[in-house]
Amino acid sequence: GESVGLHLPTLSVQEGDNSIINCAYSNSASDYFIWYKQESGKGPQFIIDIRSNMDKRQGQRVTVLLNKTVKHLSLQIAATQPGDSAVYFCAENPPSYNTDKLIFGTGTRLQVFP
Amino acid sequence: ETGVTQTPRHLVMGMTNKKSLKCEQHLGHNAMYWYKQSAKKPLELMFVYSLEERVENNSVPSRFSPECPNSSHLFLHLHTLQPEDSALYLCASSQSRDGELFFGEGSRLTVL
Repeated sequence: GESVGLHLPTLSVQEGDNSIINCAYSNSASDYFIWYKQESGKGPQFIIDIRSNMDKRQGQRVTVLLNKTVKHLSLQIAATQPGDSAVYFCAENPPSYNTDKLIFGTGTRLQVFP
Repeated sequence: ETGVTQTPRHLVMGMTNKKSLKCEQHLGHNAMYWYKQSAKKPLELMFVYSLEERVENNSVPSRFSPECPNSSHLFLHLHTLQPEDSALYLCASSQSRDGELFFGEGSRLTVL
């Protein structure tokens, strides 16, 4: 079946460093991708999204890169802060345009040390 | 402050109990969702309601019974659950079925 996976289950970084979280997706027809952040005891929160007609999108301290050739998605967090500690997971949307068709990854835990 | 509120935040129940999870959204959205989040597993969609009509039921066992009395409220009725049903149950809403999801903080369910 289709799946969305992650290269690393846990990522530890020092405060102030940049973080890179990776995600592999399997459906080459997926045309919309989202990154979510889930803090401990909270629900997932939308961070940034990207459509397949783009290969890069920037937000505030975050950048998402999309490489359709190898079906790879990454989230870059600049100057990582303690408040960035959370589980991050990606989601892909096959070309049905319904949110309920989102396929979620399992998540990477980001730990930020002082 | 989240626009999607879930209660209770924590629930412990025996396999013979009947309980309900409640979700309320204050965002004026038309679609509401139940997801199951188990440890080390991706989010699993359980049910989707659009304009108070159930439009998706992902082969969820009948011991889970959703109810959507109006566009702001969503319930998940639980009956004779199994220990493997222990998980975080997340409610979400979106403006429409292709809109951005807004999640609640979840109800942590433990079945003994």
